[in-house]
Amino acid sequence: DVKVTQSSRYLVKRTGEKVFLECVQDMDHENMFWYRQDPGLGLRLIYFSYDVKMKEKGDIPEGYSVSREKKERFSLILESASTNQTSMYLCASAQSHNEQFFGPGTRLTVL
Amino acid sequence: QKEVEQNSGPLSVPEGAIASLNCTYSDRGSQSFFWYRQYSGKSPELIMFIYSNGDKEDGRFTAQLNKASQYVSLLIRDSQPSDSATYLCANWEGFQKLVFGTGTRLLVSP
Repeated sequence: DVKVTQSSRYLVKRTGEKVFLECVQDMDHENMFWYRQDPGLGLRLIYFSYDVKMKEKGDIPEGYSVSREKKERFSLILESASTNQTSMYLCASAQSHNEQFFGPGTRLTVL
Repeated sequence: QKEVEQNSGPLSVPEGAIASLNCTYSDRGSQSFFWYRQYSGKSPELIMFIYSNGDKEDGRFTAQLNKASQYVSLLIRDSQPSDSATYLCANWEGFQKLVFGTGTRLLVSP
């Protein structure tokens, strides 16, 4: 059974903290993605990676960074969390032109 | 930036009716199209994909693709209350990323 896992389902952090969201896929996919989803705004792409150590900015990269040291793992980093980063964060992986698989999501609250 | 557009809805249909969801896209080079269903608080899950012009049927779901007009649609026959969800249309931009529409919310009333 193919799987994308995320390190936490729920996370509460304080303003200014450094936050790490981890994502692991077991499908040997080249492409991995980080989205945030807010009511009424749909899925918004933060960063994506098409190969190990490669990363590309998505539509809303400000305030975020990523790391992909191994093919199966893609990390999203909030260097200094702010309240406007409270959101649902979704990780996904895919082979090009094929189905994208999503993880269960991490609901992050920044106080 | 390639775009995928959907009506946000909500689209309300009675139980047993056909629900028709539509999506237009701007990238003429797109080859593969996907419909995802997302329940509130859950992550999206794939329900249909289509690569060729015409219709593709899977159970109560039919995807329709018209590349000349740049639209793709999803028909849900015999709609059930459990079909109430947000439906996201998506296609690949080049080889690197999937572009999603903002989704159409479907409400099926008993």
